[in-house]
Amino acid sequence: AQSVTQLGSHVSVSEGALVLLRCNYSSSVPPYLFWYVQYPNQGLQLLLKYTTGATLVKGINGFEAEFKKSETSFHLTKPSAHMSDAAEYFCAVSDNNDMRFGAGTRLTVKP
Amino acid sequence: KAGVTQTPRYLIKTRGQQVTLSCSPISGHRSVSWYQQTPGQGLQFLFEYFSETQRNKGNFPGRFSGRQFSNSRSEMNVSTLELGDSALYLCASSLEGTSGRASEQYFGPGTRLTVT
Repeated sequence: AQSVTQLGSHVSVSEGALVLLRCNYSSSVPPYLFWYVQYPNQGLQLLLKYTTGATLVKGINGFEAEFKKSETSFHLTKPSAHMSDAAEYFCAVSDNNDMRFGAGTRLTVKP
Repeated sequence: KAGVTQTPRYLIKTRGQQVTLSCSPISGHRSVSWYQQTPGQGLQFLFEYFSETQRNKGNFPGRFSGRQFSNSRSEMNVSTLELGDSALYLCASSLEGTSGRASEQYFGPGTRLTVT
């Protein structure tokens, strides 16, 4: 069975600092991995996804993530945080049956 | 292209009642998935419908049911509501659904259900 673990339920960074949100997964099949963002009172919006091919994936709003099979990780990064990045971020893994989400990481950006 | 719409956005019900939530997917999308989001349990998969057939089901009791119509619109029903059913219910549509693993899901804004 597949599962997702997001390390750190809350992450706080200063504006302009590096953002690093951690995600580790387990899957019995080659994983398809996703990062979603949720702003208050809204649904989830896809940031980026990894299916096959290049392991460094670039997404919207300057975010990127790197698939590391040996570490079973798919960490999300952004070089310079912006106040508008404050939101909740979810990592997800998909197999042939459903999509499983991590518990989420709430990102706070301090001025 | 219009996004995923969910109605109603907010709902207050009493224990023991039943509720029906509606989701209209993006035009052309044949798959609709439903999720329950709570602070304690996070995002949990309820079920997926594809071309009017339930294709996958999560680990929820039979009080939770759904259906999909020929125009891909979907409804979710919860009978005999319990306090623990209070949650944000999210609907997501995609072209291929969860069996097309690369097919990303587009989420609606959700229906916030409060059970008193």
